[in-house]
Amino acid sequence: NAGVTQTPKFRILKIGQSMTLQCTQDMNHNYMYWYRQDPGMGLKLIYYSVGAGITDKGEVPNGYNVSRSTTEDFPLRLELAAPSQTSVYFCASSASGLAGGGEQFFGPGTRLTVL
Amino acid sequence: QQQVKQSPQSLIVQKGGISIINCAYENTAFDYFPWYQQFPGKGPALLIAIRPDVSEKKEGRFTISFNKSAKQFSLHIMDSQPGDSATYFCAPFYSGAGSYQLTFGKGTKLSVIP
Repeated sequence: NAGVTQTPKFRILKIGQSMTLQCTQDMNHNYMYWYRQDPGMGLKLIYYSVGAGITDKGEVPNGYNVSRSTTEDFPLRLELAAPSQTSVYFCASSASGLAGGGEQFFGPGTRLTVL
Repeated sequence: QQQVKQSPQSLIVQKGGISIINCAYENTAFDYFPWYQQFPGKGPALLIAIRPDVSEKKEGRFTISFNKSAKQFSLHIMDSQPGDSATYFCAPFYSGAGSYQLTFGKGTKLSVIP
């Protein structure tokens, strides 16, 4: 099992550009999450999904969009990139949701810089 | 309003010593108290977690102590090793009635020196 994979590992965007961060998990987990981690800070939840076709906002959703067409994939879309979106983005998945206390498995992260 | 306060921000411990990291929270509805370990360039990984119905949980060299009345829980690393050098996050959360709250602490960078 590869676990949770993310692409790309690094990306530099210009202000106003758009991009999609890819996330795939091969553990057949229903729950998937996107976090951002700013330097010296903890992780903040952007969006999460409880299953294919179902998504919901987290703590910091503004400027992002997600979709969940399959169990395996949970892409994060940045529209009109801004310097404030410079961060490291982590995708995670869990077999049961937060309500079940399910362990979250994290991907290696995508380091995004917006100039 | 800061929901979770983690301390210290950084910690240096001699090999073989005890590392102690604390997490104070405000929301009494939190019902799951995990600690995550993160190595540089990697995503966090669950280290150990506890539910509020027990006061302590031990897994190998790692122990969580939970004080419900003080709204605090802590991570103790016994016989600390250089391989334990990482950033540790507490991440208490609450779920219920169709809603949830998940809050990560700001992290504690632990350095274990030989």
